[in-house]
Amino acid sequence: KAGVTQTPRYLIKTRGQQVTLSCSPISGHRSVSWYQQTPGQGLQFLFEYFSETQRNKGNFPGRFSGRQFSNSRSEMNVSTLELGDSALYLCASSLQGAGYEQYFGPGTRLTVT
Amino acid sequence: QQQVKQSPQSLIVQKGGISIINCAYENTAFDYFPWYQQFPGKGPALLIAIRPDVSEKKEGRFTISFNKSAKQFSLHIMDSQPGDSATYFCAAGKSGGSYIPTFGRGTSLIVHP
Repeated sequence: KAGVTQTPRYLIKTRGQQVTLSCSPISGHRSVSWYQQTPGQGLQFLFEYFSETQRNKGNFPGRFSGRQFSNSRSEMNVSTLELGDSALYLCASSLQGAGYEQYFGPGTRLTVT
Repeated sequence: QQQVKQSPQSLIVQKGGISIINCAYENTAFDYFPWYQQFPGKGPALLIAIRPDVSEKKEGRFTISFNKSAKQFSLHIMDSQPGDSATYFCAAGKSGGSYIPTFGRGTSLIVHP
């Protein structure tokens, strides 16, 4: 089975812009979770989508949003980028949900200048 | 915010030695405790996970020990190998539809040949 794929792998944006990241889960997985990883804050949960519905949301501002399509692919959007949004954004897919076995993608490295 | 405290921050062991990483959590409702391994430039990979109905789980050289009363769990890597050199994260959360994982800050493990 193909693993979780994320595009793009690297991205450079300017403060104030918006960005959309994409995640394709493992075939058959209906749960996609998004995480932010930074040296300062570590790994933090952003949100989880399950069968096109947002099931859980972490403690992030409304500038961070996401959606999931009928084929389980997911996108994450960050509007009005800030310097502090520079991070590795990871998505993970799971058959049953985030509270079960999850498989992470390689991440998208976002740099905000 | 619920915390998961992970220690040590870094660990150096000799090949063949035992690596031990500890995590402590606060929320007694947590019932899913995974450990992830992350290599540079890669996303985290699930190593092993435990639920509170057992006190120990072993998979190959990796063992999780779980102490429900102390709200602590630890990862033991037996016969540590240079290939085990990576960053290890513990996480905790309440499984099910409302799973919002909290991660430890990570332990950088270096295994000297």
